[in-house]
Amino acid sequence: GQSLEQPSEVTAVEGAIVQINCTYQTSGFYGLSWYQQHDGGAPTFLSYNALDGLEETGRFSSFLSRSDSYGYLLLQELQMKDSASYFCAVRRGGSQGNLIFGKGTKLSVKP
Amino acid sequence: NAGVTQTPKFQVLKTGQSMTLQCAQDMNHNSMYWYRQDPGMGLRLIYYSASEGTTDKGEVPNGYNVSRLNKREFSLRLESAAPSQTSVYFCASSEAGARQYFGPGTRLTVL
Repeated sequence: GQSLEQPSEVTAVEGAIVQINCTYQTSGFYGLSWYQQHDGGAPTFLSYNALDGLEETGRFSSFLSRSDSYGYLLLQELQMKDSASYFCAVRRGGSQGNLIFGKGTKLSVKP
Repeated sequence: NAGVTQTPKFQVLKTGQSMTLQCAQDMNHNSMYWYRQDPGMGLRLIYYSASEGTTDKGEVPNGYNVSRLNKREFSLRLESAAPSQTSVYFCASSEAGARQYFGPGTRLTVL
């Protein structure tokens, strides 16, 4: 079977750093993606890791360890607008690039 | 450049009624996808189309059919709607990669 585990909720204060973990168990693993979704909105792409290590995009960074079947999303200098749900998603490969999504982590940023 | 568009935005059906959800993308992407999102369940893949003329089942295809009308358009049909199909439906497209672009969603209620 395939499964992704991530915390259901995380709370942090403005300006802080928060890490959202994701562990996965799946066949045909090609890489790990992260998506952000605000309430009532559509998911939007944040990052993708195909290889082990850290990818940085502005205030957001994503990490992957293939040997540990583990990744995380790191959000720095938190802002109120970062309050949203964050989904990790495994890319299972092939030309179609199918994704299997985790259930999401709801991040609440407090003033 | 509208990205991915979906119609309708909202729909209420009675059990047993049929309807088609429309999706179009203007990014010249080969791959298109239909997901459903239920509270606490993340996004689950219903059907996908790796390229024009091909469609394949995802995780939860039962009760749905799809048509890849051309490269731009990918429709999802509910032949006989059931209350269990009450959900938010998202269409997405990608160019064979981990980055998928999502439409705004269709909020469907089946009574």
